[in-house]
Amino acid sequence: KNEVEQSPQNLTAQEGEFITINCSYSVGISALHWLQQHPGGGIVSLFMLSSGKKKHGRLIATINIQEKHSSLHITASHPRDSAVYICAVRGGSGGGADGLTFGKGTHLIIQP
Amino acid sequence: KAGVTQTPRYLIKTRGQQVTLSCSPISGHRSVSWYQQTPGQGLQFLFEYFSETQRNKGNFPGRFSGRQFSNSRSEMNVSTLELGDSALYLCASSYLAGAYNEQFFGPGTRLTVL
Repeated sequence: KNEVEQSPQNLTAQEGEFITINCSYSVGISALHWLQQHPGGGIVSLFMLSSGKKKHGRLIATINIQEKHSSLHITASHPRDSAVYICAVRGGSGGGADGLTFGKGTHLIIQP
Repeated sequence: KAGVTQTPRYLIKTRGQQVTLSCSPISGHRSVSWYQQTPGQGLQFLFEYFSETQRNKGNFPGRFSGRQFSNSRSEMNVSTLELGDSALYLCASSYLAGAYNEQFFGPGTRLTVL
């Protein structure tokens, strides 16, 4: 069973700061997802990675398969980025013998 | 294109009852996955369906069941409800099943068991 650890659990920062959220997992995977959840419950998929790096607007996600580690970066953070960010991984078979395993989430607050 | 819809959005039941939750995927998506979210355990995987077949099942008791219809709509059922079943139940759809498919989440059904 894959163990997914996220850090930090809570993060408060000022508007404009560069934010990094980390995710590590214990067993090789096929894919890693970064999700965003706002108050009220809605979840949005931000990235799906199996290698390398992806960028979307002010968000950047990287993954190091050898080190079993991924990071989510937010540049020029804004109060609307305040949300819970969740890392999730899927098993190493590619076909997905297991469903997603989730981290506990990072609660991010960006103060104006 | 309409997003993933879940009905009902809120539900209150009492212990021992059963409940059925519904999920309509994005048009053209053939895979539906279900998740449970609680404050204590976080998000946990329940099931994955593709073309009316259950592909994967999480570590939940047999009281939790589901199915997928030919139009890709899915339902999950929880029988003999327990207090601990109070949670946000989320479904997500993707075009295909498997690890490399982005999932699109619905707004969830918040179930309260009294």
